[in-house]
Amino acid sequence: DAMVIQNPRYQVTQFGKPVTLSCSQTLNHNVMYWYQQKSSQAPKLLFHYYDKDFNNEADTPDNFQSRRPNTSFCFLDIRSPGLGDAAMYLCATSRDMADGGYTFGSGTRLTVV
Amino acid sequence: DQQVKQNSPSLSVQEGRISILNCDYTNSMFDYFLWYKKYPAEGPTFLISISSIKDKNEDGRFTVFLNKSAKHLSLHIVPSQPGDSAVYFCAARSGGSNYKLTFGKGTLLTVNP
Repeated sequence: DAMVIQNPRYQVTQFGKPVTLSCSQTLNHNVMYWYQQKSSQAPKLLFHYYDKDFNNEADTPDNFQSRRPNTSFCFLDIRSPGLGDAAMYLCATSRDMADGGYTFGSGTRLTVV
Repeated sequence: DQQVKQNSPSLSVQEGRISILNCDYTNSMFDYFLWYKKYPAEGPTFLISISSIKDKNEDGRFTVFLNKSAKHLSLHIVPSQPGDSAVYFCAARSGGSNYKLTFGKGTLLTVNP
């Protein structure tokens, strides 16, 4: 089945230690998104890639970076995680920007200790 | 500021009865609305959508109603089944060149047998 896979499901990192979250897709979708969802909050868009074009949200902290080396993979890098970065990180894909029916991965739960 | 609001964190209904989940929005530029369903330990999955040019869209047991003048939409599930127990997210898409989705905080629906 075509899908979006996030690894790992759970990630524990130390305060200030760089961490990378991974997302892969077999849908061949053009757009990949990263959302951050804190407890009882709405998923918040951090950035997205349309093909190789990177689009950062204005309020996404500089601490968060992303890479998309090819169509299938997208990475979320947190350079110096703080306690406030503990959250569920959701990767999603869509065929194009006008396609609102996103396909989400199962998410990575990040804990910062 | 929240542009998409789901004011009820939770809703409990009896199996076989109607579930009504509500969503309000503030941005007049939203032109497309979606509902996502999320089970524990899984990513959100697309459920149903409606364009701003319509006031109703139906798919089996699920119907979404849109009241543009009130900036309100609702999801009706009839009849409700225990397997419908999940978190339901309302999402809205901006028109024009900015197609990003803005999500609400979600409503936890529990359908009791």
